Amino acid sequence: DTEVTQTPKHLVMGMTNKKSLKCEQHMGHRAMYWYKQKAKKPPELMFVYSYEKLSINESVPSRFSPECPNSSLLNLHLHALQPEDSALYLCASSHLFVGEGAGYTFGSGTRLTVV
Amino acid sequence: TQLLEQSPQFLSIQEGENLTVYCNSSSVFSSLQWYRQEPGEGPVLLVTVVTGGEVKKLKRLTFQFGDARKDSSLHITAAQPGDTGLYLCALKRGATNKLIFGTGTLLAVQP
Repeated sequence: DTEVTQTPKHLVMGMTNKKSLKCEQHMGHRAMYWYKQKAKKPPELMFVYSYEKLSINESVPSRFSPECPNSSLLNLHLHALQPEDSALYLCASSHLFVGEGAGYTFGSGTRLTVV
Repeated sequence: TQLLEQSPQFLSIQEGENLTVYCNSSSVFSSLQWYRQEPGEGPVLLVTVVTGGEVKKLKRLTFQFGDARKDSSLHITAAQPGDTGLYLCALKRGATNKLIFGTGTLLAVQP
């Protein structure tokens, strides 16, 4: 299995809703990431998990709450979002000690719309 | 200030044309990666360049790392509609495993 699977593919939520994005990989990668991507822009790093522990939070607002229940799963809990949070949310994984040639494997993303 | 600046931002060409995308920085890197992101998908790694002056080929794509390891280019020969997508250069920051992307080049190849 060489994939990162993200669910759901599309999500529409109101500003008062609580929802969760899910990400799963079975490649044995011990580093997992959340990125946010606006249309026609590059992905922007939000969070990095290493060995299931949060190692980097790129000053993301608290309405985004990540969780890594085990080495294969990564969640992003959403609460009280704003319309400007509408974006493509990408999950990625990699080996923890990444050699120069090693890449990151990305999922296809969740297209989030906040209404 | 963006660490990695790409040019051009947008490019629309006809099938069969050649093109070059540039990735520039004022910093020296130990390595640089290129990704392609097709519509509705996540980025996919194309290549990693490590050595200054290095040239790598992937079918019709040619990647070059500058001698001073501060810039890189991607040249596509005889572009095809399937080459359409967002091309991103990227680097890993230190020991933190942070993958930081360049500003991106959106390529559209018309049939």
